[in-house]
Amino acid sequence: GENVEQHPSTLSVQEGDSAVIKCTYSDSASNYFPWYKQELGKGPQLIIDIRSNVGEKKDQRIAVTLNKTAKHFSLHITETQPEDSAVYFCAASERDNYGQNFVFGPGTRLSVLP
Amino acid sequence: EAGVAQSPRYKIIEKRQSVAFWCNPISGHATLYWYQQILGQGPKLLIQFQNNGVVDDSQLPKDRFSAERLKGVDSTLKIQPAKLEDSAVYLCASSQGGGREQYFGPGTRLTVT
Repeated sequence: GENVEQHPSTLSVQEGDSAVIKCTYSDSASNYFPWYKQELGKGPQLIIDIRSNVGEKKDQRIAVTLNKTAKHFSLHITETQPEDSAVYFCAASERDNYGQNFVFGPGTRLSVLP
Repeated sequence: EAGVAQSPRYKIIEKRQSVAFWCNPISGHATLYWYQQILGQGPKLLIQFQNNGVVDDSQLPKDRFSAERLKGVDSTLKIQPAKLEDSAVYLCASSQGGGREQYFGPGTRLTVT
């Protein structure tokens, strides 16, 4: 089955700096890669996603890149703000007609220092 | 649009007791998921429903966990009897299906003592 690794486990950056989180996956059949942000006491919230037919996607300060050959994808956050502090999870899945069976990475705790 | 609702938010029980969690998905979402999130880890899928039928329960410990989704709307997840290692946050998510995005509820934090 699918296995997703995520690095680093913790990341501290100064406000205004960039943050990069990297994930690798094992199953070449995976074709959908979402990123979720989880704040304390809340459920994960989708912040950006990418499909396997796209190499990069950007939404304001957030971007995701995908390298299918190497089986890795990354989340890039620019101009970080204190409200970006949270745990970020990557996931991989093979989309089907019913939905997605996600396999999540172990998470990265991002701290943005003012 | 209302989000995914879960109750209770917190539950403390002793080992060998039973417990049940409730989930109300976003209206119109055909697909419902239950995840277990152990502290410091990513969510792990326990069971996936399409309407009121089970699509995937391969990671559900069926000797102690059970779930149902009557009438294809609300769902309950039950643990009987609970073990210490069941301490986790239980997340419910729903999706319109067809490979669309999942929306998560706030979760139920279970502590087994």
